Amino acid sequence: QQQVKQSPQSLIVQKGGIPIINCAYENTAFDYFPWYQQFPGKGPALLIAIRPDVSEKKEGRFTISFNKSAKQFSLHIMDSQPGDSATYFCAARFANAGKSTFGDGTTLTVKP
Amino acid sequence: DTGVSQDPRHKITKRGQNVTFRCDPISEHNRLYWYRQTLGQGPEFLTYFQNEAQLEKSRLLSDRFSAERPKGSFSTLEIQRTEQGDSAMYLCASSLDWTGELFFGEGSRLTVL
Repeated sequence: QQQVKQSPQSLIVQKGGIPIINCAYENTAFDYFPWYQQFPGKGPALLIAIRPDVSEKKEGRFTISFNKSAKQFSLHIMDSQPGDSATYFCAARFANAGKSTFGDGTTLTVKP
Repeated sequence: DTGVSQDPRHKITKRGQNVTFRCDPISEHNRLYWYRQTLGQGPEFLTYFQNEAQLEKSRLLSDRFSAERPKGSFSTLEIQRTEQGDSAMYLCASSLDWTGELFFGEGSRLTVL
């Protein structure tokens, strides 16, 4: 059972574009929503994260928008660069528990 | 480098053999996690430890899989009687228990022939 549903599966944008990746969840027990970036042959690395009492968080060129009532959150990458080409995973952590559950990933390609 | 380290990075084995992976977490982190990742999928939770205690184990984890974290430091993940379906990347991560941020290692890729 997929706890976090991520879309699209893949995304191609031109340099300078603003790719948007979406995630949806059902379980209201989640209390922390991170995004991870993964390059081929590497482990995922935390990019940015948000808690459900905040509607938006921005760090550099990366922004998370969070809609608690709709149970959706999204990642926006401003002024995307070819170096941003990677696979992005959204995740959700269960409150008072250790584990996080991940979406299936979005492969982003930024063309020069 | 004080990141999470995993060993070996690659392991090729024949079906039916046992394999063991090791993970050394970031030294001040008391939580350690094992995830499995297959091509085109997100990391799938296997188990996690707080210090030396194994607090949760996925229902998907068969009894051929066992993990330990003696003395709350490094951890090992053993797979007995490997099957071709065990072929995957095995990721280890660590965290401080009051944050949700996971720090992943580069993974151990298992190929079962």
